[in-house]
Amino acid sequence: DSGVTQTPKHLITATGQRVTLRCSPRSGDLSVYWYQQSLDQGLQFLIQYYNGEERAKGNILERFSAQQFPDLHSELNLSSLELGDSALYFCASSVGGTGLAGGRATGELFFGEGSRLTVL
Amino acid sequence: GENVEQHPSTLSVQEGDSAVIKCTYSDSASNYFPWYKQELGKRPQLIIDIRSNVGEKKDQRIAVTLNKTAKHFSLHITETQPEDSAVYFCAASMKGGGNKLTFGTGTQLKVEL
Repeated sequence: DSGVTQTPKHLITATGQRVTLRCSPRSGDLSVYWYQQSLDQGLQFLIQYYNGEERAKGNILERFSAQQFPDLHSELNLSSLELGDSALYFCASSVGGTGLAGGRATGELFFGEGSRLTVL
Repeated sequence: GENVEQHPSTLSVQEGDSAVIKCTYSDSASNYFPWYKQELGKRPQLIIDIRSNVGEKKDQRIAVTLNKTAKHFSLHITETQPEDSAVYFCAASMKGGGNKLTFGTGTQLKVEL
């Protein structure tokens, strides 16, 4: 168990709909990352938040948005869904910042189990 | 931005043989290079990482080497076992903390009996 919790685990919806994926990071982690993994594809970086603020943006579509709340959980909103949005969406967390923090090494990302989205 | 290339995309070895996966990166500012293992239907998990001030790191049957000049790093698995079968991803990031990882495209390793 990585300590990162993602819900829902599975989601089936129709084209044109909107869904929200939720992520709770490990206790003490300030950074949250969202990655998309399509079938037989690698891990595509979408967006990163650090302590409530957007830190980095990757190949995230304009139809997608995310936020990190004061309690550090994060939500990824996917709207106007298309068939091609079907994928496994991973959330990951890390301590964030630079250097060591309380003895915990930074850099390592801890992944949740993922939310599998199927758009029909 | 950073670009990470990974080869081969698939690798099949006999049990007990060694496996080598290679990656190159584009941004010379990158200084943290982890390797993740992803079993079918599971989440990626870190198996080993290396920072740019180190040329090689070993952990039992797994080793990673880094050539900063050439901007490439490799994963070496010795005495492969069936449970090593998985997809392996290399990645790179700057500063090593609080920064996003850019992943390679993955290598499907199959260890045959």
